[in-house]
Amino acid sequence: GAVVSQHPSRVICKSGTSVKIECRSLDFQATTMFWYRQFPKQSLMLMATSNEGSKATYEQGVEKDKFLINHASLTLSTLTVTSAHPEDSSFYICSAIPTGAVDNEKLFFGSGTQLSVL
Amino acid sequence: DAKTTQPPSMDCAEGRAANLPCNHSTISGNEYVYWYRQIHSQGPQYIIHGLKNNETNEMASLIITEDRKSSTLILPHATLRDTAVYYCIVSAETSYDKVIFGPGTSLSVIP
Repeated sequence: GAVVSQHPSRVICKSGTSVKIECRSLDFQATTMFWYRQFPKQSLMLMATSNEGSKATYEQGVEKDKFLINHASLTLSTLTVTSAHPEDSSFYICSAIPTGAVDNEKLFFGSGTQLSVL
Repeated sequence: DAKTTQPPSMDCAEGRAANLPCNHSTISGNEYVYWYRQIHSQGPQYIIHGLKNNETNEMASLIITEDRKSSTLILPHATLRDTAVYYCIVSAETSYDKVIFGPGTSLSVIP
């Protein structure tokens, strides 16, 4: 199946700093990618939809100036958590839908990034 | 909000079949039933999906009722590695609309 690589898998940062998370589709192109956040023992919460070459669409309550999303190519989307605070500590997961005809009915997920803000 | 309801947790003996139910009474005619699972601290994994016919692949079987208001995911011979949270989702196929995850069912496979 298609592979989505997410990096880093774990990051610890100081409060007030920014952190960038990368999501790459390794063997397929993805016009659309999704970013989720997951708190312990809770389900995935959709943060935003990332579209290649255009602005991301954010869900209600998600600050677009705090969670910057860039989808500059068909294989890479990045999420930057700006001025991170302890309450931003969470498990962040990206997913992608293949743009081509193969497996385009499925979501493929990265392995997630555990962000801890001290 | 998620369009599906699932039991919060289930247990299954190792080697036995695990039957995970899902209610989706408001499913639309063009929406498919999808199942994903998430093993602890990993990203979710696609399992199977279907429209109205029963489906089977190497991982599981999906049984959808005739009225399409509910479905059951069947893991025929559960192993300890099947312990995970299982999410039932309804979505149009090849849709780029957002996919909303509900709480899912936490399946524990017991030795």
